[in-house]
Amino acid sequence: KQEVTQIPAALSVPEGENLVLNCSFTDSAIYNLQWFRQDPGKGLTSLLLIQSSQREQTSGRLNASLDKSSGRSTLYIAASQPGDSATYLCLNQGGSEKLVFGKGTKLTVNP
Amino acid sequence: DGGITQSPKYLFRKEGQNVTLSCEQNLNHDAMYWYRQDPGQGLRLIYYSQIVNDFQKGDIAEGYSVSREKKESFPLTVTSAQKNPTAFYLCANRGYRQANNEKLFFGSGTQLSVL
Repeated sequence: KQEVTQIPAALSVPEGENLVLNCSFTDSAIYNLQWFRQDPGKGLTSLLLIQSSQREQTSGRLNASLDKSSGRSTLYIAASQPGDSATYLCLNQGGSEKLVFGKGTKLTVNP
Repeated sequence: DGGITQSPKYLFRKEGQNVTLSCEQNLNHDAMYWYRQDPGQGLRLIYYSQIVNDFQKGDIAEGYSVSREKKESFPLTVTSAQKNPTAFYLCANRGYRQANNEKLFFGSGTQLSVL
């Protein structure tokens, strides 16, 4: 059964810090690795998608990397801002159509 | 946003009542999903469908039913058998998986509460 673990569960940092969110998964079959953010009471917004043939993707201050051999992905946020406060979730679109999410990391960036 | 529309945004259910949440998409995507989210919790998969007239149970299908009569539509019915229906419900869709670059897109969600 696919399991997705996200560490830490919650993170509080001062504005301007660089930070790393971690995602690990048990399904060795990887098609795409997708990172999302969710604001309270809202749907999920896609941030980055790493194809299985890639090692990383960048968008602005966000950089996501994928290490298939260890079953891990990291999301790096540079120069964090209060507007980055949200819950971040990862999804390994692996060998099954039964897509399973981790519980997410709740990020708070303090002004 | 993957062209997904969920309605209504808020829904109230009386005890013993069945209610239906709507999910419509306009991008001709094959796969559609329903997730439930409880406060402070992650997403749990209720049902998913890969093609018209076919769907599979997720991890928490009891007390729920779905249909996929049209590619554009994947409604979720919360039946009276679901004793704890209060939650935030999210619909998602995705194109052909083997394209290797297909993102999962989400609707804006429906908050269901019990009166």
